[in-house]
Amino acid sequence: DIQMTQSPSSVSASVGDRVTITCRASQGIGSWLAWYQQKPGKAPKLLIYAASSLQSGVPSRFSGSGSGTDFTLTISSLQPEDFATYYCQQANSFPLTFGGGTKVEIK
Amino acid sequence: QLQLQESGPGLVKPSETLSLTCTVSGGSISSGSYYWGWIRQPPGKGLEWIGSIYYSGSTYYNPSLKSRVTISVDTSKDQFSLRLSSVTAADTTVYYCASHTDCSTTSCRFDNWGQGTLVTVSS
Repeated sequence: DIQMTQSPSSVSASVGDRVTITCRASQGIGSWLAWYQQKPGKAPKLLIYAASSLQSGVPSRFSGSGSGTDFTLTISSLQPEDFATYYCQQANSFPLTFGGGTKVEIK
Repeated sequence: QLQLQESGPGLVKPSETLSLTCTVSGGSISSGSYYWGWIRQPPGKGLEWIGSIYYSGSTYYNPSLKSRVTISVDTSKDQFSLRLSSVTAADTTVYYCASHTDCSTTSCRFDNWGQGTLVTVSS
């Protein structure tokens, strides 16, 4: 199985801050990575797929980059509605696996 | 826009079989555009993919659960189902159904999710 490791596990930030979350795969996965946002009590929401493609309807302040084993999700200017937990997911091979999550909290 | 909705018992006894159904609306399971998956999440923890099915019946399972999992599809009802046998307290989690693109040809991603249903394993 491909292991996905996210860092940090939590980050405290203020509205307007730039936030960067990292996801590392245990082996190369090309650009086959997705990012999700999850709020308490809700299902995850797809933000980014193919490492850098923005899902329709997702604000442009979200961006993704990376390939191979190292990937980044960036929120360019944190908004109040962005406080949530973020997960990466590799799409290179079965079993599909997720990172452990990064909680973005209010500073 | 696809909508997915999980249904099934919220309480299952240890050693019994958990059964959930996901009903798809706003589109047809038989369209061939999507695969249909189950993901679970223990309260306060991360996401675990359980398995997926195509409308043709082809299935893909997580090896960690494969011996206990069966996913099936009923195209006439636009439903797909999960059965997890010999459950224990460790299977107490929120179960989500979701659609995803073809993982063999695209960077597959779960783009439509059900709201999730909590299943508790307890006597």
